[in-house]
Order: sequence, then C-alpha cells, then structure tokens
Amino acid sequence: DIVMTQSPDSLAVSLGERATINCKSSQSVFYSSNNKNYLSWYQQKPGQPPKLLIYWASTRESGVPDRFSGSGSGTDFTLTISSLQAEDVAVYYCQQHWTWTFGQGTKVEIK
Amino acid sequence: QITLKESGPTLVKPTHTLTLTCSFSGFSLRTGGVGVGWIRQPPGKALEWLALIYGNDDERYSPSLKNRLTITKDTSKNQVVLTMTNMDAVDTGTYYCAHSRDVVEVFDSWGQGTPVSVSS
Repeated sequence: DIVMTQSPDSLAVSLGERATINCKSSQSVFYSSNNKNYLSWYQQKPGQPPKLLIYWASTRESGVPDRFSGSGSGTDFTLTISSLQAEDVAVYYCQQHWTWTFGQGTKVEIK
Repeated sequence: QITLKESGPTLVKPTHTLTLTCSFSGFSLRTGGVGVGWIRQPPGKALEWLALIYGNDDERYSPSLKNRLTITKDTSKNQVVLTMTNMDAVDTGTYYCAHSRDVVEVFDSWGQGTPVSVSS
C-alpha cells in the first residue's frame, strides 16, 4: 500500500506570511497513461468534514482561493498558502487519489 | 447540489457488526465512474479511507480492513451501505461518506459524519 508522510506535523505562521506543507509518497503517484499525478489536498476545520482544495497535484478546486497552490510530481509534493488568513487555521491532509490513502495531517496555526 | 448524510448506531458492542447507511442526492450511482466512499477518523487522529463503490458496481477496499468490510449500493433508494464486522474499541471515531468524482476520483462532497463508539 502507498504510505503518505507529511511534514511538518504542525506549523505556526504569522498572518499574511507563507505556509508550506510537504507530502511524500512511498511510491510514485504519477501515471503516464494520462500524465497526471494522483495527489490531492484537503482542509479540515474543527468539527467539520474535510474540504477538497487541490487535485492532480496542482488543480485548484472550484471556489478555492488562489492563495492555495499545489506543486510537485512523482513522490514529493507541496501545498503552499501564499498569505495566511485567519480562516486558514485548520488541519491539512494530502491524499493519493489512486488508492486513496491519506497523510497524517499538518496542523496550521497563527503565530 | 450534491448532499450526503450518514446514519447508523452511535454505540456498538465489541465483536459486533456495524452497519452504516449513506443517503445521497444530487447525483446518480447507476452507471459509470462516479462513486461513493467511506472514510473514518478516530478522535484527534488522521483520516483513514475504508471503501469505495462505483456506479458500475466495482468495489475497492482498504487492504488492511478488506476482510472486515462490505460496501453495497441501493440505487432505487440512493443509498450506500457499509458493514464492518468484529468491531473493536480502536474502531471508535467519526465515519464519513463522500462523493467520488468521475475520472479524477477525489472526494469532492462529504457528509457531516456520524460518530461511532465501540464499548461494552
């Protein structure tokens, strides 16, 4: 099974500053059949279900603010929040959407 | 608009079988690559994918839980049912169902989740 490992487990960022979360998969999630990386990112706020932010590593879901961006390929991926807002405080999960395993989550807080 | 809602018992005894129902609207699960998945989350812990069923009746299971899970669909009722056998305290958590988008296979709409506690 594909294991997803996120780093760091938590980070505190000042309002307006950049937040960066990394995700590493135990094997490549790039599929040459359609030239896509099967990597997605979700945001989960306390007491709420997860919300899809990014899929295919870098495609932003409709309605997601453009301060959220995804990058990477193969086994190494990054979620970047370019200018942290108060409403971005949450736990963020990566997921490989080929066999659907999740990372352990990264908690983002305000410094 | 896609909506999903989970229902089932909040308390299950150890060794018993859990049956959860996901009732959905706004899409059809009769054909094709659209799917409904189940994901759970122990208190304070990470998300764990459990199972997925497609409109074409194909089923997928988490390898670590495959022997305990069964996922079925009732297209006439717009429902997906998950059964998990031999429940244990470590299975305590919130159980979510979610819509899986065709082709992309990401969970783009989620239910609010239903809490399940395993205790005698």
